[in-house]
Amino acid sequence: DAGVTQSPTHLIKTRGQQVTLRCSPKSGHDTVSWYQQALGQGPQFIFQYYEEEERQRGNFPDRFSGHQFPNYSSELNVNALWLGDSALYLCASSSRHPTPRNPTVEQFFGPGTRLTVL
Amino acid sequence: GDSVTQMEGPVTLSEEAFLTINCTYTATGYPSLFWYVQYPGEGLQLLLKATKADDKGSNKGFEATYRKETTSFHLEKGSVQVSDSAVYFCALSARGLGNEKLTFGTGTRLTIIP
Repeated sequence: DAGVTQSPTHLIKTRGQQVTLRCSPKSGHDTVSWYQQALGQGPQFIFQYYEEEERQRGNFPDRFSGHQFPNYSSELNVNALWLGDSALYLCASSSRHPTPRNPTVEQFFGPGTRLTVL
Repeated sequence: GDSVTQMEGPVTLSEEAFLTINCTYTATGYPSLFWYVQYPGEGLQLLLKATKADDKGSNKGFEATYRKETTSFHLEKGSVQVSDSAVYFCALSARGLGNEKLTFGTGTRLTIIP
């Protein structure tokens, strides 16, 4: 049973560019959340997707957008990159409705994508 | 708004020492509380959780008790091992559901020396 996977592992962009990060949730999960973890800080919640819609959003500008596909995978898009966007971007998946196979509502995290903006 | 305050690191201990990492929180309502661990090069893993006051979460020798009167959720372990070296994050879910927005502390880096 594959866990949460993210791609790419590392990415280098320059200021003003746009980036797309991808996440595949754990099997059986239908909800994907994205977090930004700056160096030496705790993760900050960006937004959460369920049923292909954004359900919750943290305190991030509109430059950060996302999408969820029918197979529950998700993308995080960031436009007009600036130096402060350099961080580890974490994807977490969970199940909105606990089942015998997935009895908890715990979020499972992927290894992250390290984005460097020069 | 909701917030989590963690003990500043880094923390360095000798193997078999007693560990305490302090965590206090601010939240309205009845949050659920979590400790996550992040090993080098890996994503966060849930270590333990507690969903209501006086609950004790435990896993792999680690324990934490949900104290509503002191708004705290301190992490403890009686005898640490080198393999416990990692970064530890305290977190809360304000609406009490672990599958919703998590608010994290800044993390505490723990190093155990043989």
